[in-house]
Amino acid sequence: GAGVSQTPSNKVTEKGKYVELRCDPISGHTALYWYRQSLGQGPEFLIYFQGTGAADDSGLPNDRFFAVRPEGSVSTLKIQRTERGDSAVYLCASSLTGRGWETQYFGPGTRLLVL
Amino acid sequence: AQKVTQAQTEISVVEKEDVTLDCVYETRDTTYYLFWYKQPPSGELVFLIRRNSFDEQNEISGRYSWNFQKSTSSFNFTITASQVVDSAVYFCALSEAGTGGFKTIFGAGTRLFVKA
Repeated sequence: GAGVSQTPSNKVTEKGKYVELRCDPISGHTALYWYRQSLGQGPEFLIYFQGTGAADDSGLPNDRFFAVRPEGSVSTLKIQRTERGDSAVYLCASSLTGRGWETQYFGPGTRLLVL
Repeated sequence: AQKVTQAQTEISVVEKEDVTLDCVYETRDTTYYLFWYKQPPSGELVFLIRRNSFDEQNEISGRYSWNFQKSTSSFNFTITASQVVDSAVYFCALSEAGTGGFKTIFGAGTRLFVKA
């Protein structure tokens, strides 16, 4: 079966612009996670969805970042007024129900570069 | 607060050497889960193993083995007879109950170079 997919694979934008990053989780997975990975660092938690609702958004760095999952499957991470510091790889993962012991399956990531 | 420390930034070994990657964690919960993931040059994180806080039994899977010790809050990973294909970044992660569910915190990773 298909794994987690993310589009686009690469995104170059200018400072101040708005971007949307898309994640398609594994079919049937109710939990979806967004992480940000800067160069030389581990994935940093951003937000976690259980179904359509954001169960934990404590990792979103500021109000320029927002994520939605309107139908409980595909999710979009939205970044407004992008800054150069937002440049990173944005990773999406999904798991079956979101319980702590479950394996998270990761997508290939979207590499965002803000010029 | 939860924290995962991987003190080794980079390790370089020659093929067939054994190598141990260290992981130390901090948590206040009694129930938590520990993971190791591999990130090859292609970039996609691959799950390797999971351990829960109530199971300190060590595990061996082929050339991989894991040593979980609650007394020292460590969950170390050993590769025996390393191979060039083992070259990757390895992440240790901790999952514990958060605001709305389980939140996973990753360490900074250890980059392993295995030379032929």
